[in-house]
Amino acid sequence: EDQVTQSPEALRLQEGESSSLNCSYTVSGLRGLFWYRQDPGKGPEFLFTLYSAGEEKEKERLKATLTKKESFLHITAPKPEDSATYLCAVHTNSNSGYALNFGKGTSLLVTP
Amino acid sequence: DTGVSQDPRHKITKRGQNVTFRCDPISEHNRLYWYRQTLGQGPEFLTYFQNEAQLEKSRLLSDRFSAERPKGSFSTLEIQRTEQGDSAMYLCASSSRGASGNQETQYFGPGTRLLVL
Repeated sequence: EDQVTQSPEALRLQEGESSSLNCSYTVSGLRGLFWYRQDPGKGPEFLFTLYSAGEEKEKERLKATLTKKESFLHITAPKPEDSATYLCAVHTNSNSGYALNFGKGTSLLVTP
Repeated sequence: DTGVSQDPRHKITKRGQNVTFRCDPISEHNRLYWYRQTLGQGPEFLTYFQNEAQLEKSRLLSDRFSAERPKGSFSTLEIQRTEQGDSAMYLCASSSRGASGNQETQYFGPGTRLLVL
């Protein structure tokens, strides 16, 4: 059975303190890995899609990378407005349709 | 705002009552998904439609749950005889095939938060 594990569960950073969030997966054939940001009480907001090992994507202070077993979301010089829950999701060969399998998320708090 | 809208945003009901939620996807998207999210968890897949056809249902979708997408536009999710365990955020997402044929991106609505008393 496909598994997606995110770590840490919660992370507190000071403004400007760079760090990385981890998403490790055990799946039968990865077709795509997605990162979303979710603010309290709102729906997930799409950030990145990664398809193959070695791929990297960047957007402002965020950079997502992918290996054969895990993905990292690097946050460079974070600001308080980066505080949110970051969700990782996979689409795999065991999904007969297009369902995404999500991890539990990492709750990030950036303090001034 | 992703362009996916959901109504209502909040619903409080008593155990045993029926509730119905509506999702309006991005207009050109032919696939529509329903997920459920409880506190501290990631969204869990419930069901998805391609146009008006319901192509996949999760085992989480008990007989009390039914979803429709008439005419392949908006969708409704109905829960009959609600139970306290149904309390959750119900999320709708939509997608369409990318130009390059790569993995489709699912765009989520704001969700409907259900509380069953």
